[in-house]
Amino acid sequence: DAGVIQSPRHEVTEMGQEVTLRCKPISGHDYLFWYRQTMMRGLELLIYFNNNVPIDDSGMPEDRFSAKMPNASFSTLKIQPSEPRDSAVYFCASSGGLAGGPIGEQFFGPGTRLTVL
Amino acid sequence: QKEVEQNSGPLSVPEGAIASLNCTYSDRGSQSFFWYRQYSGKSPELIMSIYSNGDKEDGRFTAQLNKASQYVSLLIRDSQPSDSATYLCAARGYSTLTFGKGTMLLVSP
Repeated sequence: DAGVIQSPRHEVTEMGQEVTLRCKPISGHDYLFWYRQTMMRGLELLIYFNNNVPIDDSGMPEDRFSAKMPNASFSTLKIQPSEPRDSAVYFCASSGGLAGGPIGEQFFGPGTRLTVL
Repeated sequence: QKEVEQNSGPLSVPEGAIASLNCTYSDRGSQSFFWYRQYSGKSPELIMSIYSNGDKEDGRFTAQLNKASQYVSLLIRDSQPSDSATYLCAARGYSTLTFGKGTMLLVSP
């Protein structure tokens, strides 16, 4: 199995630009999570999906952030417009379902390091 | 506010020693707990899970849970330089994980 795939691995953009991060979960997993990690705040859950349906987006910092999961093998996290304080590493993780274990046993992608200038 | 607290470290131990990493959590409703290891510049990876009070051993790793004290720990026996990483403690609520900020472990040869 290729594991969780994220793209791009690095993104440098200017304030005000739109940023789209992409994730392909492990096949058979029915939960998908988007996290953001910074030194100050640690690893924070932004939103999670179950069977492609958003369940809890209370961690999304503001309306500039949006996430979609159009099918079981693809999800996007979009920031529009981006701001310097959005600079962080964004991780996608998946778990659960017949192919996975309990929901707490999550498999993380390699992350996208976002820098907003 | 559900919180998971960890000492940020670094915790420095010599090679071959036992490293003890600790974690406390605020949500008494949490039922399962996880330890993730994160190497610098890499993503977190699951190393241990524990669901009931007591000890759970897996190779050189032992997870300990005390729900009455809301305390979780991870012991690493015979520490190796390759164990140098940040260890994240996580508690599961209804369906999501709350992570601590992690403890950095440095194992010196």
